[in-house]
Amino acid sequence: GAVVSQHPSWVICKSGTSVKIECRSLDFQATTMFWYRQFPKQSLMLMATSNEGSKATYEQGVEKDKFLINHASLTLSTLTVTSAHPEDSSFYICSARPTGTSGPQQYFGPGTRLTVT
Amino acid sequence: GENVEQHPSTLSVQEGDSAVIKCTYSDSASNYFPWYKQELGKRPQLIIDIRSNVGEKKDQRIAVTLNKTAKHFSLHITETQPEDSAVYFCAARLNQGGKLIFGQGTELSVKP
Repeated sequence: GAVVSQHPSWVICKSGTSVKIECRSLDFQATTMFWYRQFPKQSLMLMATSNEGSKATYEQGVEKDKFLINHASLTLSTLTVTSAHPEDSSFYICSARPTGTSGPQQYFGPGTRLTVT
Repeated sequence: GENVEQHPSTLSVQEGDSAVIKCTYSDSASNYFPWYKQELGKRPQLIIDIRSNVGEKKDQRIAVTLNKTAKHFSLHITETQPEDSAVYFCAARLNQGGKLIFGQGTELSVKP
């Protein structure tokens, strides 16, 4: 149980285009999901907290107009990188926290490797 | 906000030896401290966690200790094996919002 998927697993796009990444909780509902970015040989940096049915909360320094987050259902959150540039190339990972549980654990997706050319 | 510092950044040990990774956190309201193992290109895997009301937790070869007063926690791996080689991250969960703040990571190499 507690499986989180991401789609696509990798994507290559041209500079100036937009890319959408999906994060799905497959066997549980998640009111809250988190989006992280990880550059090579670096740590996971929290970008935003995604809440179902409401606006995402972005971390300081993360441009909300560039990284659009939509959490339209209890099992799906999407991250859209708009007008992507080579410096946006990174590993994007989501995590989901099961709704209705008192435990603190989050379950991570497998990540999406974005390369902007 | 919360800040998590992790040391060392790299650690090389001989197979069978013990490995210790240390983390400190800044926000005394943090109440949950997980450790993750990440292999290249893969998702982080939870290997052990500890809550703020517990001082130590052990699971076979892995143990975590927490010192709330000093605001630091450590991961101990005994009898290391080559398959333990990976990057390990500590994290602290802020009381508010439930978000995790990660340490910088430790690249552990276990030499046969």
